[in-house]
Amino acid sequence: SQTIHQWPATLVQPVGSPLSLECTVEGTSNPNLYWYRQAAGRGLQLLFYSVGIGQISSEVPQNLSASRPQDRQFILSSKKLLLSDSGFYLCAWSVVQGTYEQYFGPGTRLTVT
Amino acid sequence: GQSLEQPSEVTAVEGAIVQINCTYQTSGFYGLSWYQQHDGGAPTFLSYNGLDGLEETGRFSSFLSRSDSYGYLLLQELQMKDSASYFCAVRGSGANNLFFGTGTRLTVIP
Repeated sequence: SQTIHQWPATLVQPVGSPLSLECTVEGTSNPNLYWYRQAAGRGLQLLFYSVGIGQISSEVPQNLSASRPQDRQFILSSKKLLLSDSGFYLCAWSVVQGTYEQYFGPGTRLTVT
Repeated sequence: GQSLEQPSEVTAVEGAIVQINCTYQTSGFYGLSWYQQHDGGAPTFLSYNGLDGLEETGRFSSFLSRSDSYGYLLLQELQMKDSASYFCAVRGSGANNLFFGTGTRLTVIP
């Protein structure tokens, strides 16, 4: 069966500090991978998605970046965090032909202080 | 671009039936998905409608009318554990992503 991992679960970082969130998927090959951000009580905002190693599409201009160094690894980064980067970050995967059905990781709750 | 409209909040009684509506505007329609998210948790996939009509999965059903750009999620025999946020979603700007609505918070009361 497929499993998706995210870490850390919670993170408190000062403004201006760097960020690295990691997501890995087990039990599937060549998945589509996604990073979302969710503000408190709000919907899901797609940040990045990837259809393959090294292939990253950005949906929203911001000070975040994403990388996919391996087939089942997706990393979200920032060089300098802003207060507005606080939120619940969710990684998700889907099969290539089934993007309507996505499977989400447990998420990382980031607080920038 | 895409836009989705859902009611922000719905309250219903345990054991009752509730319907959560979703209207959409999108250039190129490929189906409507529904997700459930409990407080503090991750969204989980509930259903997908690619064609008009009703899809049933246990106590949950989802309906789509492409001519009306409208769908709904129907929850029957409501249980307290159904209290959660429910999101509809359509294919996004690319062929490999989803655009989510802002969600409907369902509160089930005794």
